[in-house]
Amino acid sequence: NAGVMQNPRHLVRRRGQEARLRCSPMKGHSHVYWYRQLPEEGLKFMVYLQKENIIDESGMPKERFSAEFPKEGPSILRIQQVVRGDSAAYFCASSPLAGFAGEQYFGPGTRLTVT
Amino acid sequence: AQTVTQSQPEMSVQEAETVTLSCTYDTSESDYYLFWYKQPPSRQMILVIRQEAYKQQNATENRFSVNFQKAAKSFSLKISDSQLGDAAMYFCAYRGNKLVFGAGTILRVKS
Repeated sequence: NAGVMQNPRHLVRRRGQEARLRCSPMKGHSHVYWYRQLPEEGLKFMVYLQKENIIDESGMPKERFSAEFPKEGPSILRIQQVVRGDSAAYFCASSPLAGFAGEQYFGPGTRLTVT
Repeated sequence: AQTVTQSQPEMSVQEAETVTLSCTYDTSESDYYLFWYKQPPSRQMILVIRQEAYKQQNATENRFSVNFQKAAKSFSLKISDSQLGDAAMYFCAYRGNKLVFGAGTILRVKS
């Protein structure tokens, strides 16, 4: 059973470009969570999605950031018009249970560098 | 809102010795879980140990054990017989209605 997969592992974007980060949850998991880790900090919750629904986006910046988890395919975290402050590691986790009741299994992360 | 505090930005331990990493948290919830995650240079988040708040017995996983003091809201991690492969960033995390992480402690292991 493959773990949570994220791609790309490393992404370099120039200021103003768009970044798309992908997350494929573990088989059988329909709950996906995105976290951001700024340098020298812990992971911070961004958004929780179920298939085709955003359940909790209380940690998402109000502008430029969006997330989706379509019926088919991976979850996507999209950052428009990236700025240097978006440089961070972005982690996806998946769970078989709703909310935050179940164990979350983390992917290897995507390191975004904005030049 | 729940908060998790790791007051030790960095710790060092001699190989084969024991080290304890500190963690305190703040919550008004009664039912929750606590975790320690290890993050090596590869950045993969690896679950080290978990503790259910309703269990009084401290969790252990081989060389890793916790000292869970619910009244004090303290959750420290003890690593016995430290190995070079234990060197990593360690995060304490709280799971109630959210998963909240501390800022991390860098553990260096000296040979």
